[in-house]
Amino acid sequence: EIVLTQSPGTLSLSPGERATLSCRASQSVSSYLAWYQQKPGQAPRLLIYGASSRATGIPDRFSGSGSGTDFTLTISRLEPEDFAVYYCQQYGSSPRTFGQGTKVEIK
Amino acid sequence: EVQLVQSGAEVKKPGESLKISCKSSGYSFTSYWIGWVRLVPGKGLEWMGIIYPGDSDTRYSPSFQGQVTISADKSISTAYLQWSSLKASDTAIYYCARLGSSTYRAALDIWGQGTMVTVSS
Repeated sequence: EIVLTQSPGTLSLSPGERATLSCRASQSVSSYLAWYQQKPGQAPRLLIYGASSRATGIPDRFSGSGSGTDFTLTISRLEPEDFAVYYCQQYGSSPRTFGQGTKVEIK
Repeated sequence: EVQLVQSGAEVKKPGESLKISCKSSGYSFTSYWIGWVRLVPGKGLEWMGIIYPGDSDTRYSPSFQGQVTISADKSISTAYLQWSSLKASDTAIYYCARLGSSTYRAALDIWGQGTMVTVSS
């Protein structure tokens, strides 16, 4: 089973700042990596698939990069609605696995 | 509109059985995989398993194999997650979600609203 390790666990930033979230896989997942955003009381929402493709309706301040074992989600300028928990998930190998999440909180 | 609507919250006792549902609409139910994901309060998301309603091909995460059963009823476009004997550790929110492509290697693009399951004596 592929283990995904997200860092940092918590990111404390102010609106308007840039957020950089990391996801590292224990073995290569090629580009089969997705990012999800989850807010309290809501279902997760797909942000990025294929490591770098934005899902439908996702603002362009969200971008994904990486391949193989190292991936990054960047939020160029944090909006108030972006403070949430972010998960990466690999779907290149069975079973699919999630990272433990990064919480982006208001500083 | 493509959507997945899950059944309501459940409160059960240890040892009881349970079947929760996920009804799809707005797309061809038999052409897309549907997965189940667990969220334990205070913890992260866990992958449980997936089913292709077209032929009922089902694959489980090793952590959940033998603990739950995933099924689907094509006639009513509904997927299910069931337990034969609940434990307190099954207390969680359960989400169904659709793969965003008819191929197996795809991300989860549409999510149900979640079903809260509480198991307590």
